Amino acid sequence: GQNIDQPTEMTATEGAIVQINCTYQTSGFNGLFWYQQHAGEAPTFLSYNVLDGLEEKGRFSSFLSRSKGYSYLLLKELQMKDSASYLCAVLSNAGNMLTFGGGTRLMVKP
Amino acid sequence: DTAVSQTPKYLVTQMGNDKSIKCEQNLGHDTMYWYKQDSKKFLKIMFSYNNKELIINETVPNRFSPKSPDKAHLNLHINSLELGDSAVYFCASSQDSSLAGNEQFFGPGTRLTVL
Repeated sequence: GQNIDQPTEMTATEGAIVQINCTYQTSGFNGLFWYQQHAGEAPTFLSYNVLDGLEEKGRFSSFLSRSKGYSYLLLKELQMKDSASYLCAVLSNAGNMLTFGGGTRLMVKP
Repeated sequence: DTAVSQTPKYLVTQMGNDKSIKCEQNLGHDTMYWYKQDSKKFLKIMFSYNNKELIINETVPNRFSPKSPDKAHLNLHINSLELGDSAVYFCASSQDSSLAGNEQFFGPGTRLTVL
């Protein structure tokens, strides 16, 4: 089975940096995804990590430590439009199934 | 151009009815999925089809029956709807389920409300 934990809610200030953590327990790890979901919309892909280390993509970076079962999503220079839910999802090698965490609702305040 | 489309966007119906949700992708992907997102926002896999064949079937009541007439379409039929079926249903697709790291593209979702 799989277990994925991430904080339910976070608040940050426009222009600041925020780190959203995700811990997971899984059998047959095949990588970890981060998705962004604005209220009432579909999830959209942000990043994929399968090897340890940091992947940077513009204002967003994602880090993975497989030995610790830990990932984080780092958002820099926060903008109001970054207010959304951020979903951590683990890919297992059993049918390449993606299991999502409950999501972290980020509120960016002026 | 819409990559993954679903119809209808909203569906309101009475308990006990049978309804269908349609999904189409024009990305040329081999694999399609159905997810359910409940009121607590948990997104949970229901089914996965690869080239019209079922590869994942999570613990879903057999009132739910997916149908894939071709690899660009995966429809979801629900019989005898219950109150607990109220949720947002997302269709998604990816290039090839056998390759790790292929991102899934999600449709806009269908908000189902059972009264």
